[in-house]
Amino acid sequence: EAGVAQSPRYKIIEKRQSVAFWCNPISGHATLYWYQQILGQGPKLLIQFQNNGVVDDSQLPKDRFSAERLKGVDSTLKIQPAKLEDSAVYLCASSLVAGEKLFFGSGTQLSVL
Amino acid sequence: QQPVQSPQAVILREGEDAVINCSSSKALYSVHWYRQKHGEAPVFLMILLKGGEQKGHDKISASFNEKKQQSSLYLTASQLSYSGTYFCGTEVGSGWGKLQFGAGTQVVVTP
Repeated sequence: EAGVAQSPRYKIIEKRQSVAFWCNPISGHATLYWYQQILGQGPKLLIQFQNNGVVDDSQLPKDRFSAERLKGVDSTLKIQPAKLEDSAVYLCASSLVAGEKLFFGSGTQLSVL
Repeated sequence: QQPVQSPQAVILREGEDAVINCSSSKALYSVHWYRQKHGEAPVFLMILLKGGEQKGHDKISASFNEKKQQSSLYLTASQLSYSGTYFCGTEVGSGWGKLQFGAGTQVVVTP
């Protein structure tokens, strides 16, 4: 069974630039999550999708972050413009149904200079 | 609301036991436990639902005290492979699987 795919693996940008991350969840998984993990901290939930609808985005900084999940499959997370404090690993996770175990992708490590 | 984990870190010798605690200020629907090794993604260990379930994964088990809004993870007869950072994730109410993670507990098992 293929896992959660994420790309790119690493990204280095300068502040005020924009960046996008891509996630392909496990086939058939209805729920998709984006987490931000700052070094030494636990993953922080940014947004949760159920199929192509948003379940929760209360912790997403909407002035600079946006996310979409077209057709209820792939998802992209965008940051525009990036700030230094956005440096983190961005993890995508999926679950078959909401509340079940999460499968995480390898993450995208973002460095904002 | 993020759950609170304790301790922040623990160092064990192979064969020793440890307990990691996770507590919430809100009523919990479920608790998840994950382990993350350095540079890797978190990996699922177990889910506990309200009702006081105790589950096991090899020699790793957990309990969930719904009334106290607490969960504990028990590492028994630790092995070198148990090293990593352990995160609890909590779902408040029946919140559609919205999972908030604690800050993590770093576990180092030495020979």
